[in-house]
Amino acid sequence: GIQVEQSPPDLILQEGANSTLRCNFSDSVNNLQWFHQNPWGQLINLFYIPSGTKQNGRLSATTVATERYSLLYISSSQTTDSGVYFCAVAERDDTGFQKLVFGTGTRLLVSP
Amino acid sequence: KAGVTQTPRYLIKTRGQQVTLSCSPISGHRSVSWYQQTPGQGLQFLFEYFSETQRNKGNFPGRFSGRQFSNSRSEMNVSTLELGDSALYLCASSFAGPSYGNTIYFGEGSWLTVV
Repeated sequence: GIQVEQSPPDLILQEGANSTLRCNFSDSVNNLQWFHQNPWGQLINLFYIPSGTKQNGRLSATTVATERYSLLYISSSQTTDSGVYFCAVAERDDTGFQKLVFGTGTRLLVSP
Repeated sequence: KAGVTQTPRYLIKTRGQQVTLSCSPISGHRSVSWYQQTPGQGLQFLFEYFSETQRNKGNFPGRFSGRQFSNSRSEMNVSTLELGDSALYLCASSFAGPSYGNTIYFGEGSWLTVV
């Protein structure tokens, strides 16, 4: 099956710093999403971004599908950005339908 | 509009028992997927339901089952619980499912502890 790797696994930032999270995937995809898991466990959808670039406030994401990677940029980080960031790609299986395959995540801690 | 609602939020069960978890998707969404999250295995796909039909299934034993009702609400059941079933179970809702490039929305999850 498709492999999804995220880096770095852990990241500690001072409030106000910028960061880049990376997601590499082993096969071509037509569905890639970024999520933020808050300390209470809920996954919040940040971006649906199979290709191109999107921005939402201090966050932006870029996916280069031909080179099989996606980047999530966090600018001017805040303590509320802490949590785990996951990328997920859709993989087609024998049923012909797709399921989301998640990366291992990047755990981010933003200190005041 | 209301988000994805999962109940119960927390529960403790004994080995050998069974458990049923419920998920109410966002209004208008017909696809409901379930995921298991553990520290060791990460987030793993359990199954997806669409219009009351299981459309896709992950690599889990038959003790894990689910169903979807005509109002798109879904339940998953785990029978003969094992200690390793302790996990956060997450429900995901979307209009038509990952196969169609939909944005996926997750509930807050159900924390299951098996003792």
